[in-house]
Amino acid sequence: DIQMTQSPSSLSASVGDRVTITCRASQSISRNLNWYQQKPGKAPKFLIYAASSLQSGVPSRFSGSGSGTDFTLTISSLQPEDFATYYCQQSYSSPQTFGGGTKVEIK
Amino acid sequence: QVQLVQSGAEVKKTGASVKVSCKASGYTFTKHSMHWVRQAPGQRLEWMGWINAGNGNTKYSQKFQDRVTITRDTSASTAYMELSSLRSEDSAVYFCAREYYDPWGYYYYDYWGQGTLVTVSS
Repeated sequence: DIQMTQSPSSLSASVGDRVTITCRASQSISRNLNWYQQKPGKAPKFLIYAASSLQSGVPSRFSGSGSGTDFTLTISSLQPEDFATYYCQQSYSSPQTFGGGTKVEIK
Repeated sequence: QVQLVQSGAEVKKTGASVKVSCKASGYTFTKHSMHWVRQAPGQRLEWMGWINAGNGNTKYSQKFQDRVTITRDTSASTAYMELSSLRSEDSAVYFCAREYYDPWGYYYYDYWGQGTLVTVSS
């Protein structure tokens, strides 16, 4: 199975900050990398696919980059509604695997 | 609008089985595969398996291969996930998620059910 490792596991940031989350795959997954946002008690919400393609309706302050084994999710200016846990997921091979999550908390 | 509505919370004894349903609406059910993902308290999301809603073909994670069965009823636009031989470690929130497969070969889960809490105790 492909292992997905996210860092950091948590971070504290203020509204307006630029936030970057990293996701590393244990082997190359090309650009088959998705990002989801999850708030407590809720289902994950789909944000980005193919490493950098924004789902329709997702604010443009979210962006993704990377290929191969190293990927990043960036929030250019953190908003109050962005405080949540973010997960990466590889869809390159089965079983599809998720990262451990990055919890973005209010500083 | 696309909606996936799951059945309610369940409390089960160790060794029992649980069957969770996921009713889809707002799209043609047979055109998208349905996946099941679970999340134990404080843990990462864990993929369990999927069903091709059109032809009924399934694929399961090796971890759950012997205990999980995913089915669907096309007339009811509903997918089901049954997990048997429950143990305490199976206590988790179970989600269904619709697969979207794009023309360039990428796929992702664009819609999710609200989740079903399954609690297993002795």
